[in-house]
Amino acid sequence: AQKITQTQPGMFVQEKEAVTLDCTYDTSDPSYGLFWYKQPSSGEMIFLIYQGSYDQQNATEGRYSLNFQKARKSANLVISASQLGDSAMYFCAMREGVNSGYALNFGKGTSLLVTP
Amino acid sequence: GAGVSQTPSNKVTEKGKYVELRCDPISGHTALYWYRQSLGQGPEFLIYFQGTGAADDSGLPNDRFFAVRPEGSVSTLKIQRTERGDSAVYLCASSLTGQGNEKLFFGSGTQLSVL
Repeated sequence: AQKITQTQPGMFVQEKEAVTLDCTYDTSDPSYGLFWYKQPSSGEMIFLIYQGSYDQQNATEGRYSLNFQKARKSANLVISASQLGDSAMYFCAMREGVNSGYALNFGKGTSLLVTP
Repeated sequence: GAGVSQTPSNKVTEKGKYVELRCDPISGHTALYWYRQSLGQGPEFLIYFQGTGAADDSGLPNDRFFAVRPEGSVSTLKIQRTERGDSAVYLCASSLTGQGNEKLFFGSGTQLSVL
């Protein structure tokens, strides 16, 4: 069964606007972590933001914030003040079991295009 | 450099051949991961090393795939009798201890093309 679902294959946003990339997840483990990675055309995966299942506050990292709704099992990424350099693939990922070094399970990704 | 290094960046081989892909993680990182990414898909987990041992190899698709990390640093992913369906980008990642809340640092990948 798919553990991470990203329902938006592609998104457009105008420069300087905010955009939300959706992510829902499926787990029965009470301890888990959620990650967002950016993959530009160069191919390297770049870490953006992390949210732990027990974290009380939504995670923020500069222009990135995570809208964590635990009961709905969603972890949407919000990018504020979009820049042309934000154009890339964005992947949501989950690791179950905070104290274990097990695999990150990735979604299929959302392609974001920022237009001038 | 200080990042995860993967060599070669591109590998073209013929169906049925044997290939080795190398990953040099960030110095001091005990956890090392291999992923495979097909076109238009997210990375798919293959294997996770903690030190020298494979802690989780549940993602290896079949017995043609094997990976080693003999000294707890550099890792080699080995694919025997390659098939066209093995064509993908193979990504390596490392993290400091393997704790669940640690971010993974990824290399730029090896693009494998099986003709």
